[in-house]
Amino acid sequence: RKEVEQDPGPFNVPEGATVAFNCTYSNSASQSFFWYRQDCRKEPKLLMSVYSSGNEDGRFTAQLNRASQYISLLIRDSKLSDSATYLCVVFGRNYGGSQGNLIFGKGTKLSVKP
Amino acid sequence: DAGVIQSPRHEVTEMGQEVTLRCKPISGHDYLFWYRQTMMRGLELLIYFNNNVPIDDSGMPEDRFSAKMPNASFSTLKIQPSEPRDSAVYFCASSPLSGRRTGELFFGEGSRLTVL
Repeated sequence: RKEVEQDPGPFNVPEGATVAFNCTYSNSASQSFFWYRQDCRKEPKLLMSVYSSGNEDGRFTAQLNRASQYISLLIRDSKLSDSATYLCVVFGRNYGGSQGNLIFGKGTKLSVKP
Repeated sequence: DAGVIQSPRHEVTEMGQEVTLRCKPISGHDYLFWYRQTMMRGLELLIYFNNNVPIDDSGMPEDRFSAKMPNASFSTLKIQPSEPRDSAVYFCASSPLSGRRTGELFFGEGSRLTVL
């Protein structure tokens, strides 16, 4: 099982739609979770952290389910500008070394159409 | 403020040639990371430094890859000799100590490498 798995998509949705992405992780000791956004041919950028209690930032809602080892990202009222690849990111010890580090999923591609 | 600066932005080279990628992290950041991104494998961590010291290089594919950070404002990733399978986008990222908690890495724009 891969450390961080995401549905690659693409998700093609009309403007105004609500879309949700899931991500599963394999290491139950993972400590922190994040969503990054990557536009086509650009660098990844932090979108939001994911807190145990769930958190919201405008139209974006992130949730964590530790028991099932998955995190989700919900985008409401999607805009054309939301078109991008969304990367699920997990931080945990013993990933790649004693200090631990960020492990990126391959991303889910979202395309919002007019 | 300037972000992470990488050079070159694009490089096309022939198999067997040496490739050197450069990175200038954001001033004051304690951590510097080198990632490689391909369609097949996604974003993979190659190596990272803390205060110029390499902490973990377990992601470096093989001996053909080497990375250095001679000072806080400069790092290089070298591939010698290069092979077609090294074709990818190489990202440099930096973060402050707090980034370990906040998960925020600041990425450069990447170096797109094509090895023919």
